[in-house]
Parts: sequence; C-alpha cells; structure tokens
Amino acid sequence: AQSVTQLDSQVPVFEEAPVELRCNYSSSVSVYLFWYVQYPNQGLQLLLKYLSGSTLVESINGFEAEFNKSQTSFHLRKPSVHISDTAEYLCAVSALIGGKLIFGQGTELSVKP
Amino acid sequence: EAGVTQFPSHSVIEKGQTVTLRCDPISGHDNLYWYRRVMGKEIKFLLHFVKESKQDESGMPNNRFLAERTGGTYSTLKVQPAELEDSGVYFCASSQMRGNEQFFGPGTRLTVL
Repeated sequence: AQSVTQLDSQVPVFEEAPVELRCNYSSSVSVYLFWYVQYPNQGLQLLLKYLSGSTLVESINGFEAEFNKSQTSFHLRKPSVHISDTAEYLCAVSALIGGKLIFGQGTELSVKP
Repeated sequence: EAGVTQFPSHSVIEKGQTVTLRCDPISGHDNLYWYRRVMGKEIKFLLHFVKESKQDESGMPNNRFLAERTGGTYSTLKVQPAELEDSGVYFCASSQMRGNEQFFGPGTRLTVL
C-alpha cells in the first residue's frame, strides 16, 4: 500500500519570495508521482508529474519538483511566487499507470502582497 | 474539447434520502474514476471503471454506494440511504486507455443533514 504525507497544511508567503511545499511518500513498490493544483472554485489540474527519467521535472508556470528516491520525497518548489499562485497543492502517487491516485492532505499556499 | 463535467454541482439532502451523482468524462476516455473528499481530510479513491467494467472498487465505503457506467460513457454514483458521514465533495476523473494523466471534474458538493 502507498501513503502520502504533506506536512504543511498552510504555507503563507509574500509575493516574489521562494517557496517549497513538502511531499513524502511511503511505498513498497515503485510509484509515479504527481502534483495537482486546485484554484479557488475550480477543479483539480495537473501541475507536473514524474514517471521516469530525469528526477527534476518542471511545469510551464515556473514550478519544479525533484524526485528523491532515497528520501522518498517529491517536494515542489518555485523561486518566486505570484499572487495568482494562491491555491491548494496536492501531492499524489500511483503504483500503476492509469491506476488510482493516493493523495496527501494538501497544502494551502497563500501568497500575500 | 469539453472537460469532465459533473452534475449537480451541489446537493443538500436529508439523512435517509437517496442521491444520484452524474459524471460525464472527456469523450474517448475509457478510464473513469470516482474520488471523495470529506472536509478536512485527503481526497480518497472510491472506484475505477475501464469502459463499462469495474476495474477496482476497493475504495467504496459500503453497500450504500452503487456506481454504474452505462455503455462505457457517463457514470452515476448513487448513495442510498444517505448518512451524515457521506457529506463531502465527490470528484470524477477520466483518462485515456494508456494515459498517465487523470483529468478531474469540478466536483459535486454533497451535504447530508
């Protein structure tokens, strides 16, 4: 079985500051890793994913995440956040391509001016 | 291309009543998933259809929940009779047969009084 832990339920940060949202997972098998984002009053959108290959993956809006197998982590980072990045960020894993997603508890990122 | 749609967006019912939620996946997506998020908790998997067949229903909480996918197109999730603990947001997602990205709908917020 797999589990995901997002230790920070809320992360307040000022605009243009760097941010790191932490995600750790537990699994007895290899997993695929995902970050989803949910903006207020909207559905979940895939932000980025790690399936194989380079351990550093990037999104189109400046976020990146690095898969660290030894630390079983997939932390999300952005060097400079914008007000529009305010949202809930959810880390998820899956043991199979096309299989069910196991989510963490989510982290509310609040960017203040 | 239309995204995943869910109906209704909100439903308020009394304990003991029946409610049916509907999900229309993206056209051509064979995989359809149901998830639920209870307030303050993580998003949890309920079940997975491949076309009209149930691939994995390990997350269904009990036999008060019945999911169907007629003809491999839209899906319904019926709760009968509803209990207070069934309150939450029910998400539907779909993906292509060999796809690794699940596209989520906006969710149905169910409140059982």
